[in-house]
Amino acid sequence: DVKVTQSSRYLVKRTGEKVFLECVQDMDHENMFWYRQDPGLGLRLIYFSYDVKMKEKGDIPEGYSVSREKKERFSLILESASTNQTSMYLCASSLTGYSYGYTFGSGTRLTVV
Amino acid sequence: RKEVEQDPGPFNVPEGATVAFNCTYSNSASQSFFWYRQDCRKEPKLLMSVYSSGNEDGRFTAQLNRASQYISLLIRDSKLSDSATYLCVVNPHSNDYKLSFGAGTTVTVRA
Repeated sequence: DVKVTQSSRYLVKRTGEKVFLECVQDMDHENMFWYRQDPGLGLRLIYFSYDVKMKEKGDIPEGYSVSREKKERFSLILESASTNQTSMYLCASSLTGYSYGYTFGSGTRLTVV
Repeated sequence: RKEVEQDPGPFNVPEGATVAFNCTYSNSASQSFFWYRQDCRKEPKLLMSVYSSGNEDGRFTAQLNRASQYISLLIRDSKLSDSATYLCVVNPHSNDYKLSFGAGTTVTVRA
């Protein structure tokens, strides 16, 4: 069964901490994405990557960075966590091509206190 | 204007009923269309792709109307397990593979 695996299901961090969220896919997908989902706001794209070592900003990149050193792994970094970054974080991957949808990981619910 | 807009609902229907809802998209050049299902506190999962000719998967029927720029989802013979949020998803871009997500339509099926 194909999978996108996120390293943590629940995470609690303190304000100002550097936070790493890891995502690994086993489908040999070229494209990987990080979203956050908040009630009433839907899914918002933070960063995405089309290839190893390549990254592009999404709609809300401020306060975040990413790393893609290997094709299967895409990491989201919160440089200095703040309470307004409390959210559900979803990683997704896809093949290249318009007819392909995304496969999502099960999400990381991050609380910053 | 948002790229994808949906009626948030909720649609509360009895078991066995038919429920249908639409979403509209703003970019007439949009390439591909999907419906995703998201259960409470879970990740979105692909329900079905939407093709120009319309398509059916069991009790679910999806339609695309390019002229009016909307897609629809119809659920027949609703089950309790159909209770979820349904996300309308569109690829509005001609040169990349980013998808745009609607905020979702909530459906609650009651016994």
